[in-house]
Amino acid sequence: EAGVAQSPRYKIIEKRQSVAFWCNPISGHATLYWYQQILGQGPKLLIQFQNNGVVDDSQLPKDRFSAERLKGVDSTLKIQPAKLEDSAVYLCASSSLRIDTQYFGPGTRLTVL
Amino acid sequence: KQEVTQIPAALSVPEGENLVLNCSFTDSAIYNLQWFRQDPGKGLTSLLLIQSSQREQTSGRLNASLDKSSGRSTLYIAASQPGDSATYLCAGLNAGGTSYGKLTFGQGTILTVHP
Repeated sequence: EAGVAQSPRYKIIEKRQSVAFWCNPISGHATLYWYQQILGQGPKLLIQFQNNGVVDDSQLPKDRFSAERLKGVDSTLKIQPAKLEDSAVYLCASSSLRIDTQYFGPGTRLTVL
Repeated sequence: KQEVTQIPAALSVPEGENLVLNCSFTDSAIYNLQWFRQDPGKGLTSLLLIQSSQREQTSGRLNASLDKSSGRSTLYIAASQPGDSATYLCAGLNAGGTSYGKLTFGQGTILTVHP
């Protein structure tokens, strides 16, 4: 069974530029999550989808971050414009149900200069 | 709201020592408790997962225990090796309360095992 796929693995941009991350969850998993992990901290949930609907986006900075999950499968997370403090690892995870084990992708390491 | 705390924040030990990493959580309505390993700049590797009905799980030199009543979990590493050096994270998945459906992470313990 293929795991959660993410791309790109690394990205370096200048502040005020835009960037997008892509995630393909495990086949058949209805729930998809995006986490932000700043150096030295544990991952923090940004947004949670159930199929193609948003369940929780309470910690998503909506003035600059956006996410979508078209057709309830792949998802993209966008930052526009990026700030220095957005430098972090962005992790995508999926689970078959909302209350079930989450499986994580390899992450995208973003550096904002 | 679920809060997860890990102690110690960092640990440095000589090779061969047995060690214990601690994790505490404030809300006992958890579905499962998971321990992850993370190498610098990398993603998360799941080590052990304990369901709420279980007391412990073992994998090789690793043993994790869960005590819901006291809100604690421990990760025991036997005969540590330099290759065990990494950050270890625990995370609780809530099945109730205001954190329903959320996976809450601790801040991690940075482990260094020197030869």
